[in-house]
Amino acid sequence: KQEVTQIPAALSVPEGENLVLNCSFTDSAIYNLQWFRQDPGKGLTSLLLIQSSQREQTSGRLNASLDKSSGRSTLYIAASQPGDSATYLCAVSRNQAGTALIFGKGTTLSVSS
Amino acid sequence: GAVVSQHPSRVICKSGTSVKIECRSLDFQATTMFWYRQFPKKSLMLMATSNEGSKATYEQGVEKDKFLINHASLTLSTLTVTSAHPEDSSFYICSARVASGGVSYNEQFFGPGTRLTVL
Repeated sequence: KQEVTQIPAALSVPEGENLVLNCSFTDSAIYNLQWFRQDPGKGLTSLLLIQSSQREQTSGRLNASLDKSSGRSTLYIAASQPGDSATYLCAVSRNQAGTALIFGKGTTLSVSS
Repeated sequence: GAVVSQHPSRVICKSGTSVKIECRSLDFQATTMFWYRQFPKKSLMLMATSNEGSKATYEQGVEKDKFLINHASLTLSTLTVTSAHPEDSSFYICSARVASGGVSYNEQFFGPGTRLTVL
């Protein structure tokens, strides 16, 4: 059974710092991996999607990497801002298209000004 | 593009009543929609997979007679919580996968969620 773990559970940093969020999964047979942002009481916003054949994706100040063989992904946030404060969720899909996502518990990030 | 809406965003009901939640893909067709629930400070847990024109597939431990799912069109799936009880209070989120004839990236787009409170 696939399990997704995110470390740390919470993180507080001052504005401007670069930071890394970690995600690990137990079964390397995944179709893809997605990183999401969730604000309190809100739905999910997709940040980055990495296919199983890819090693990284970049969008603005965000960079996500994937090491499928070791079951790890990282989300790198450069020059953090208070507006980045949210919960970041990592999710993997089972090894075929059209399947649901399995989520980690998330990392709650707080960026202070 | 790829916007998913949910209605209502928040609902409070009495114990024993039924509540219907709608999930719509606004600018694309979705052959598959997923329903998740999220308890406070917990992650999203898949409840069921909804396929247009066929019966939903429920995850282990999810009562199909309690959580009725209907996916009658390519843009609408509904979740009905029947005879709701306080333990059903949760945040319900749907997602939709873009239907395409070519290679599917399996990217899912999520609705804003529905906060259900059962008194």
